[in-house]
Amino acid sequence: KQEVTQIPAALSVPEGENLVLNCSFTDSAIYNLQWFRQDPGKGLTSLLLIQSSQREQTSGRLNASLDKSSGRSTLYIAASQPGDSATYLCAVLSNDYKLSFGAGTTVTVRA
Amino acid sequence: SQTIHQWPATLVQPVGSPLSLECTVEGTSNPNLYWYRQAAGRGLQLLFYSVGIGQISSEVPQNLSASRPQDRQFILSSKKLLLSDSGFYLCAWSPGVLSGEQFFGPGTRLTVL
Repeated sequence: KQEVTQIPAALSVPEGENLVLNCSFTDSAIYNLQWFRQDPGKGLTSLLLIQSSQREQTSGRLNASLDKSSGRSTLYIAASQPGDSATYLCAVLSNDYKLSFGAGTTVTVRA
Repeated sequence: SQTIHQWPATLVQPVGSPLSLECTVEGTSNPNLYWYRQAAGRGLQLLFYSVGIGQISSEVPQNLSASRPQDRQFILSSKKLLLSDSGFYLCAWSPGVLSGEQFFGPGTRLTVL
């Protein structure tokens, strides 16, 4: 069974600092990995999708890396802003086509 | 562009009452559809998924059921709600093969009293 872990569980940084969010998974046999953002009481917004054959994906200030062999992914958010405050979820699509989620990292960016 | 809708947004129901949550997707055809539950302090749990009309796969044995009466409509139901059914219910869709990117709806907050 795929287990996904996100560290840290919570993170508070001053505005302008770069954010580094970590995700690890136990089974490297995956199709892809997705990073999502969730605001309080809202649904999930897909941020980045990394296919298993890719090493990284970038979108604006966001960059996600994937090291499938070691079961790790990292989401970098450059020059954080208060609007980046949210919970970030990592999810791995395994070979059984099931998406397994981590518990999330709650980010607070202080103005 | 594709849009996913869920209703109602919020629901408060007594224990033992029935449930019907609806999810519809616009702007695409033959999507894969999913129901997830997010309970307080826990991660997202896949409840059901569907690759086509009338085709439902159940992931977790429980008193919930799902149906797909139309290509872009997915319904989550229960005949008798339990306290443990409280949570945030999210519908999602993915295009084409099951290995595609998933897109989530706004969710329904269900409180069972």
